[in-house]
Amino acid sequence: GQQLNQSPQSMFIQEGEDVSMNCTSSSIFNTWLWYKQDPGEGPVLLIALYKAGELTSNGRLTAQFGITRKDSFLNISASIPSDVGIYFCAGQLSGGSNYKLTFGKGTLLTVNP
Amino acid sequence: DGGITQSPKYLFRKEGQNVTLSCEQNLNHDAMYWYRQDPGQGLRLIYYSQIVNDFQKGDIAEGYSVSREKKESFPLTVTSAQKNPTAFYLCASSINWNTEAFFGQGTRLTVV
Repeated sequence: GQQLNQSPQSMFIQEGEDVSMNCTSSSIFNTWLWYKQDPGEGPVLLIALYKAGELTSNGRLTAQFGITRKDSFLNISASIPSDVGIYFCAGQLSGGSNYKLTFGKGTLLTVNP
Repeated sequence: DGGITQSPKYLFRKEGQNVTLSCEQNLNHDAMYWYRQDPGQGLRLIYYSQIVNDFQKGDIAEGYSVSREKKESFPLTVTSAQKNPTAFYLCASSINWNTEAFFGQGTRLTVV
């Protein structure tokens, strides 16, 4: 089956620093999604990417859909304490009647004030 | 307010008992999903439904059952056949099966 490798598993940074995390896949995807999950809550969609090469921003967040369609990265600029949480990538290969959204294992981000 | 509502937030059950987790959405979404999350793991798909009165097994359907009698509702039953039911359960929905999914707040099930 499809596998997503998300790295790093965890990050400890100082407030104000920039952060970068990425996901790579053994298969191509048509859509890449990035979610953030706060403790004990459901994931919240941050950015959705639909085209290879697409670069999309949402405030201090920027994400790119890799040209090969097998990878994506998420950057957070000028981190703040409320950026703390688990960030998940998810890839979707849509086609025919089959749905498949595959999630990475997440990157735990800790921001020290 | 529009959204996805899961209830209850916390649920405790004795081993051997079936338990049903509720998921309701008022977003008029066709597709709904159930995921299981364990510590340090990504989300694993249990069941999904692309349209009312239809549902499909996901990657870890054994020991679970669902129904989709109404568009707004997609309850998940954790049966006694599920060997390790303690987990955080997440429901999600999307406009259709080909669009991004939005999640509820989750239900933490503890079986003792």
